[in-house]
Amino acid sequence: QKEVEQNSGPLSVPEGAIASLNCTYSDRGSQSFFWYRQYSGKSPELIMFIYSNGDKEDGRFTAQLNKASQYVSLLIRDSQPSDSATYLCAVDKLIFGTGTRLQVFP
Amino acid sequence: DVKVTQSSRYLVKRTGEKVFLECVQDMDHENMFWYRQDPGLGLRLIYFSYDVKMKEKGDIPEGYSVSREKKERFSLILESASTNQTSMYLCASSAGTGWFTDTQYFGPGTRLTVL
Repeated sequence: QKEVEQNSGPLSVPEGAIASLNCTYSDRGSQSFFWYRQYSGKSPELIMFIYSNGDKEDGRFTAQLNKASQYVSLLIRDSQPSDSATYLCAVDKLIFGTGTRLQVFP
Repeated sequence: DVKVTQSSRYLVKRTGEKVFLECVQDMDHENMFWYRQDPGLGLRLIYFSYDVKMKEKGDIPEGYSVSREKKERFSLILESASTNQTSMYLCASSAGTGWFTDTQYFGPGTRLTVL
């Protein structure tokens, strides 16, 4: 059974800080990794995807992938209250983690 | 913009009823998916389809069936609704090229309550 693990949180960070969200996966053969953001009562929306080891940056977001250690992380720089949401990690599109709830307080 | 629509935002049904959840996408995507989302359990894949009339079971297919007669439409069927099928149901679609890697686009969800 393929698994994706995330800490459910909540992760609380002050406005302007860096939020670090982590995800581990069990299938060493996994190829693609996705981060989705889900606001309460809404459907998930894609933030970033990453396929290769290393970092991938998009604005305030950086995805980091380490296939040897089987983890993928999402860094949010200069966190804003509008970033408060649940962040879902997905592997190979079909397997989702349970999500980490992020709270950014002013 | 990719648009994925679902037939209802909220639905209330009684135990034993046959329930149809409809999903339509307008971007000519090959792949379509049905998930359910429950607190503490995240999104779990019920069924997916990578082509018209093709379907594959996901992690939790029991009690569900699907139909894909046309490329743009993917239906989820609860043959005999039960209270443990009360959940948020999310449909998604993605393009066909490199289907493991293409972005999924989600519909707004249908919150189903079975009494």
